[in-house]
Amino acid sequence: DIQMTQSPSSLSASVGDRVTITCQASQDIINYLNWYQQKPGKAPKLLIYDASYLETGVPSRFSGSGSGTDFTFTISSLQPEDIATYYCQQYDSLPPVFTFGPGTKVDI
Amino acid sequence: QVTLRESGPALVKPTQTLTLTCTFSGFSLSTFGMCVSWIRQPPGKALEWLALIDWDDDEYYSTSLKTRLTISKDTSKNQVVLTMTNMDPVDTAMYYCARIRAAAGTYTMDVWGQGTTVTVSS
Repeated sequence: DIQMTQSPSSLSASVGDRVTITCQASQDIINYLNWYQQKPGKAPKLLIYDASYLETGVPSRFSGSGSGTDFTFTISSLQPEDIATYYCQQYDSLPPVFTFGPGTKVDI
Repeated sequence: QVTLRESGPALVKPTQTLTLTCTFSGFSLSTFGMCVSWIRQPPGKALEWLALIDWDDDEYYSTSLKTRLTISKDTSKNQVVLTMTNMDPVDTAMYYCARIRAAAGTYTMDVWGQGTTVTVSS
């Protein structure tokens, strides 16, 4: 199975800061990488799919990039409502198998 | 509007079988490209994918849990059922179902239910 690592595991930043989270796969996953936001006590919410595509309705301050084994998630200007844990998730398509990263907790 | 809601017992005893139901609306699981998946999250831990069923009745399972899991669907009732056998306290978690849209080999969990808490204890 493909393993996913995320860094950092947690971070503290100020409102307006640029925040970057990285996710690394143990082997080439092309762009089969999604990013989710999970606020305390809530279900995860899809933000970015296929590494760089912004889900409909998600603010444009969120973005993703990368391919192969190395991926980056960015919040261009951190807002108070962005306090959450962020997970990357990779998938194999044949057959479909999904693996989540360990998560990055973002605080202000 | 797509919604999903999980239901099932809040408490199960060790060795028992867990049955969870995901009731959804706003899409049909007989439509090409539609799938439903189950994911769990132990308290304070990361998300773990469990199983998926697609529009064509194909079933896929986590490698580590496949011997204990069965996923099925009732398209007429808009429901997906997950059974997990031989429950253990380490299976205590929030269990989520999510819709997956599949297209050209890509899979995206785009809408999630609110989750249901399952505690395994005698």
